[in-house]
Amino acid sequence: SQQGEEDPQALSIQEGENATMNCSYKTSINNLQWYRQNSGRGLVHLILIRSNEREKHSGRLRVTLDTSKKSSSLLITASRAADTASYFCATDDHNQGGKLIFGQGTELSVKP
Amino acid sequence: DARVTQTPRHKVTEMGQEVTMRCQPILGHNTVFWYRQTMMQGLELLAYFRNRAPLDDSGMPKDRFSAEMPDATLATLKIQPSEPRDSAVYFCASGPRGGDTEAFFGQGTRLTVV
Repeated sequence: SQQGEEDPQALSIQEGENATMNCSYKTSINNLQWYRQNSGRGLVHLILIRSNEREKHSGRLRVTLDTSKKSSSLLITASRAADTASYFCATDDHNQGGKLIFGQGTELSVKP
Repeated sequence: DARVTQTPRHKVTEMGQEVTMRCQPILGHNTVFWYRQTMMQGLELLAYFRNRAPLDDSGMPKDRFSAEMPDATLATLKIQPSEPRDSAVYFCASGPRGGDTEAFFGQGTRLTVV
């Protein structure tokens, strides 16, 4: 079953612009993670934010978490063509003992 | 460079045949996930092991799918008999502490059932 729902499903921007992707979820969580998947490859972990954190940064990535709205956002600043990929949020459900459930993903295209 | 290894990378089989997919988790990781990815359903969690014990396989069709961890270095996912609707990419991932930390994904097994 899907937990996170990403929005938008697809996003196309120009190199240098910022990209914002959103994720909504349904249940109480321990943490929320963002992953990236290049076409034909496995997923790669980007960043983890715990339920008691509101914002986290890693390089050009900024993640926010609003547990009252059950939502998170991933911001990629100064995007590059190499950022073209699918981005997924995943939640560690508080009541499900470490089970990691993924959303449907956002397909990001960064045009040079 | 520690990584999750999945074999085979590609598999084409005829409907009704048995398919076995293998995964070698990262040494020292105590959690293994199996996911199936399709365009229609996205990433579905099929099974989840901790310390080699199955914690949850509620996402797996029980009549034809089975998942095991014969030892800490090997996880297997079997489909018997396979059907065309099983065509998908199957991913294995391992982690040191379940969903509490990042999961490391293998490159996947692309299964085509004809």
